[in-house]
Amino acid sequence: AQKITQTQPGMFVQEKEAVTLDCTYDTSDPSYGLFWYKQPSSGEMIFLIYQGSYDQQNATEGRYSLNFQKARKSANLVISASQLGDSAMYFCAMREVNAGGTSYGKLTFGQGTILTVHP
Amino acid sequence: NAGVTQTPKFRILKIGQSMTLQCTQDMNHNYMYWYRQDPGMGLKLIYYSVGAGITDKGEVPNGYNVSRSTTEDFPLRLELAAPSQTSVYFCASVRGVGTEAFFGQGTRLTVV
Repeated sequence: AQKITQTQPGMFVQEKEAVTLDCTYDTSDPSYGLFWYKQPSSGEMIFLIYQGSYDQQNATEGRYSLNFQKARKSANLVISASQLGDSAMYFCAMREVNAGGTSYGKLTFGQGTILTVHP
Repeated sequence: NAGVTQTPKFRILKIGQSMTLQCTQDMNHNYMYWYRQDPGMGLKLIYYSVGAGITDKGEVPNGYNVSRSTTEDFPLRLELAAPSQTSVYFCASVRGVGTEAFFGQGTRLTVV
């Protein structure tokens, strides 16, 4: 069974500084995808970044980057130059891609980390 | 392009009542999902569908039913609502297994 662990219930960061949100995962499937979603106080789920297990480079999307350490099974999200609007809940999620695609795209989510950006 | 649309946004049910949460997507995605999010927690999969006429249980299916008669629509039925079903419900769809899920805005359900 796959499992996602986010060990930081809450994180604080000063505006304009960088912050790392931790995510570790557990899977025996060699093919999987890792996702980060942002959930602001309004409640919607916003996709941030994706990393495939076979991707050679760490994924980047603007101020977001994913520090993917496959041997350690970690997929930490790095947010550079934090902004007040980054204050939100952040979820790490994983999708196994079984042989034949039988994972059917199902995502398993971590518990989330609440990020607060201070001015 | 509307994406994934859920209705209603909010609902209060009495114990024992039933209701249907509606979800529709206009992206022609085959894969659709229903998740629930309890306060301060991550999302848990209730049911999913890989195409019209095909559905299967997720991690927490008890007390719910789904149907998928068309590619666009994936309603979630709550029978005999219980306080334990108080949660925020998200519908999502995926174009392919290696791509991101698109989420609806969520339905906040309270059972009293």
